[in-house]
Amino acid sequence: QVQLVESGGGLVKPGGSLRLSCAASGFTFSDYYMSWIRQAPGKGLEWVSYISSSSSYTNYADSVKGRFTISRDNAKNSLYLQMNSLRAEDTAVYYCARIFDYAVDYWGQGTLVTVSS
Amino acid sequence: DIQMTQSPSSLSASVGDRVTITCRASQSISSYLNWYQQKPGKAPKLLIYAASSLQSGVPSRFSGSGSGTDFTLTISSLQPEDFATYYCQQSYSTPGAFGQGTKLEIK
Repeated sequence: QVQLVESGGGLVKPGGSLRLSCAASGFTFSDYYMSWIRQAPGKGLEWVSYISSSSSYTNYADSVKGRFTISRDNAKNSLYLQMNSLRAEDTAVYYCARIFDYAVDYWGQGTLVTVSS
Repeated sequence: DIQMTQSPSSLSASVGDRVTITCRASQSISSYLNWYQQKPGKAPKLLIYAASSLQSGVPSRFSGSGSGTDFTLTISSLQPEDFATYYCQQSYSTPGAFGQGTKLEIK
């Protein structure tokens, strides 16, 4: 069965960096676009970034453009999100997500990122 | 960027009720509209994609309709496990904006 397992979240100071990872299994990872979506505490969902199956195309929300970088390693069935210059407003649960037919058909359990001094 | 607006923001209903949630896009998105269900502390779950296609394994009491700018999610007969928050999302263009959510509560 499809599994997406995020890791790398934690507490970081404003201006700091963090790298999230997502380990995928149960499907041919290299066939799918992947995405990161976040949810601030008690708030709604916000799309953050996505990457094409071959890494040839990436896109970012304006709120993270220039600070976050999405990447993937198809040989390792892994998705990454490098987050730099973190701000308090980046505090959220970050979900790794698989895209199929323009929808997110599978989500990870999420990893919490807290930006606070 | 395309904005998505859901109504109502919250809704109280009883088991067995028929419930409709509305989602409006700020410009036409054809049928690139998805619906998700989220329960507290859990990841969202895809219910409907492409406005009206039922995701595999989702009960048939859930249905979606609409195209262009106006869309609806209907639950034909509420079950206890349906009390949750529902989000629409447009996948016509990036960023794939979500609606603000509709919290469905037990009356």
